[in-house]
Formats: sequence, structure tokens, C-alpha cells
Amino acid sequence: AQSVTQLGSHVSVSEGALVLLRCNYSSSVPPYLFWYVQYPNQGLQLLLKYTTGATLVKGINGFEAEFKKSETSFHLTKPSAHMSDAAEYFCAVRRGFKTIFGAGTRLFVKA
Amino acid sequence: ETGVTQSPTHLIKTRGQQVTLRCSSQSGHNTVSWYQQALGQGPQFIFQYYREEENGRGNFPPRFSGLQFPNYSSELNVNALELDDSALYLCASSLAQGELEQYFGPGTRLTVT
Repeated sequence: AQSVTQLGSHVSVSEGALVLLRCNYSSSVPPYLFWYVQYPNQGLQLLLKYTTGATLVKGINGFEAEFKKSETSFHLTKPSAHMSDAAEYFCAVRRGFKTIFGAGTRLFVKA
Repeated sequence: ETGVTQSPTHLIKTRGQQVTLRCSSQSGHNTVSWYQQALGQGPQFIFQYYREEENGRGNFPPRFSGLQFPNYSSELNVNALELDDSALYLCASSLAQGELEQYFGPGTRLTVT
């Protein structure tokens, strides 16, 4: 069975600081991995995805994530947080037709 | 190009009633998935439709049912509503059945009282 664990339901950073949102997955085979962002009262927007190949994946809005098979992790980072990054972030794994989401991490950005 | 749209935006129903939520897929997309997102949780997969047929289902009871129409718009129907059905319901369309990238609508917020 596959599952996704996001460490920390809330993360708070200062504007300009590094953003690190943690995600671990369990999967018996190499997974397809995703990060989505959800702004208040909106649907989910894809930030980036890992399928195969390069383990460092760059996404939109300056975010990137690194697939580490040995650690079964897919942490999301951004070098410098902006106020507009405040949102809910979801890590997800895809197997077949089904996408399994983590519980989400709410990112707060302090001025 | 029009994105994924959902209607209504908000809905309040009473326990035991039935509800129909609607989704219009992105142009050219023949696959739609529905998700339930309870407050403070990640979306949970309900089912997927491909070319008007259900081709995958999550752990939801049969009172959750769906339809996909020839124009690829779709409906989610929930019978005998329970308080725990209160959630944001999201639909997501994709270009083809095996396509990894899904495009989400803004959701319908259902409140069951």
C-alpha cells in the first residue's frame, strides 16, 4: 500500500527565509510524486512532479523538490519565502488511476 | 482555453437529503476524477470516469455515484447525506486516462446540517 506523510501540519517562516516542507512516502515501487498548492477557497495547483530521471525537480514560483529514494523522501524547498507563498501545500503519490494525498502543511510567512 | 469549473460554489443540505454536484472539464479532457476534502485534511479519491465509464473507485460507499456525459462534463451524486459528508468536493480533469497531470476545479463546499 502507498501512503504519504507530511511532517508538520503548520510551518512558519519569515519573509526571505528558506522554506522546507517535508514529505515521506511509502511505496513498493518507484513512485510518481507531486506537490500541489492550495490557496484559500481555491482548488489545487500543481507545483511540480517527479516521474523518472533527474531527482531534483524544479517547479513554478521558485519551488523545487528532490526525490531521495534511500530516504523515501520528496521534500519541497524554496530559497526565499515571499508573502504570496502563504498557502496549504500537499504532497501526493500516484499509482495507476489513484492519487493519494498527504494531510497537508499550512505555510505561514511572517513579514 | 477554459479551465475546470464546478457548480455550485456552496451548498447547504439537511441530513438524509440527496445532492448533485457538477463539473465541467477542461477543453479536450476525457478523464475526470472526484475528490472529497474534509476540513484540515488532504483530498481523498472518490472515483474516476473515463469516456463515460467509471474506471476506478476509492473507499467510498455506493451512495456516492457519478456520471460523465458525452461532452465530458460530469456529476457527483450523494444520496442519504450524513453529517460527515460535509467537505469541499473537488473535481480534476486530465487529457487522457493515464495522464499524470490533473487540473483541479475550485471545488464545491457542501455543508450537511
